[in-house]
Amino acid sequence: DTAVSQTPKYLVTQMGNDKSIKCEQNLGHDTMYWYKQDSKKFLKIMFSYNNKELIINETVPNRFSPKSPDKAHLNLHINSLELGDSAVYFCASSQGGLRGETQYFGPGTRLLVL
Amino acid sequence: GESVGLHLPTLSVQEGDNSIINCAYSNSASDYFIWYKQESGKGPQFIIDIRSNMDKRQGQRVTVLLNKTVKHLSLQIAATQPGDSAVYFCAENRGGTASKLTFGTGTRLQVTL
Repeated sequence: DTAVSQTPKYLVTQMGNDKSIKCEQNLGHDTMYWYKQDSKKFLKIMFSYNNKELIINETVPNRFSPKSPDKAHLNLHINSLELGDSAVYFCASSQGGLRGETQYFGPGTRLLVL
Repeated sequence: GESVGLHLPTLSVQEGDNSIINCAYSNSASDYFIWYKQESGKGPQFIIDIRSNMDKRQGQRVTVLLNKTVKHLSLQIAATQPGDSAVYFCAENRGGTASKLTFGTGTRLQVTL
């Protein structure tokens, strides 16, 4: 009965590789998000999709490409991984993507680039 | 630039005492604020929110206070329990129509027995 789920939970990979992280929500929400949390616990939004349409893109390198096959899924593909990509990536969702809505977070994917 | 920040990076309280976690924000256009709790190895968990047309909101053992005059937000936890140990984030929704949250730097709450 997990509301927002992510796979994998841990991801260890070499520099230069390409990897994907998957996210699914069963809350019936229209909007999903990807956040990055660095080693100092700072959380920053990366992308937001509303009903499969990109609505927020926070100047993230184009090596990061979100893909939303349907409104319940938002995957994050990362090309040519760099050391600085090591972080915890959180997926979140909210009802309609409007200002003033609560966002619900997944458990996170811990990415370590060696 | 404008930011959301916290006064205290670490707060240590005894079990049973009340905790107060503070947050300063600088964007006067922000009108929605949320507190999240993040336990070790988990994602942020919603605690309580408040809109700018209110100055106080209460939940179960938690109260959020908003002072728009000095752009200050606080989270009060009554009768702090060991399970309250976590990192607490305030977040604001600034500008635009989208739900775009800007998070503060976080405060670690340590509950001692």
